[in-house]
Amino acid sequence: DGGITQSPKYLFRKEGQNVTLSCEQNLNHDAMYWYRQDPGQGLRLIYYSQIVNDFQKGDIAEGYSVSREKKESFPLTVTSAQKNPTAFYLCASRTEGAGLEKQYFGPGTRLTVT
Amino acid sequence: QQPVQSPQAVILREGEDAVINCSSSKALYSVHWYRQKHGEAPVFLMILLKGGEQKGHEKISASFNEKKQQSSLYLTASQLSYSGTYFCGTQRNDYKLSFGAGTTVTVRA
Repeated sequence: DGGITQSPKYLFRKEGQNVTLSCEQNLNHDAMYWYRQDPGQGLRLIYYSQIVNDFQKGDIAEGYSVSREKKESFPLTVTSAQKNPTAFYLCASRTEGAGLEKQYFGPGTRLTVT
Repeated sequence: QQPVQSPQAVILREGEDAVINCSSSKALYSVHWYRQKHGEAPVFLMILLKGGEQKGHEKISASFNEKKQQSSLYLTASQLSYSGTYFCGTQRNDYKLSFGAGTTVTVRA
């Protein structure tokens, strides 16, 4: 079955440590996205990538980094510079076709930093 | 810029109807609607392109008023399975979606 996988589902880290969240898709989508979700605030875009070896900052990129070395993979690193990293992180990829673009979301990773 | 959704929350009894609104101050290319159950990923419901067409998914439909930059989601004859948080995502002329804060819908028996 095609889809997006994120692992792990729950992640716990100590303050000051970097942590990398994985996102893999086998949908053959070019575009991939990372969102952060906090209670009552909807989804905020962290980074997105339209094609391999290229990515752009979203609305809240500070304290995060990404790479896109393969079409299938778009890992997100939450660095120690991120002031409030505890959140639910969602990865998504997008279909192609003018007017038909849909984003499909992975199951998410809930990160808790103490 | 994030779209504005209203209301923030709505409580329904099975069989009742509801409308959720999504407004943007910028010209839009499309509006996307998603539903999220607690602790799960958002699930795509429908996409509306500028042109005012109405779409449907089960007994859930939506419209897009291009002149007002506003979209409305209509929940008709609500079922228990309609409970969740509904998000609109607005797209301008790029690859990014901006999401509203969400509308929490609770359907009771």
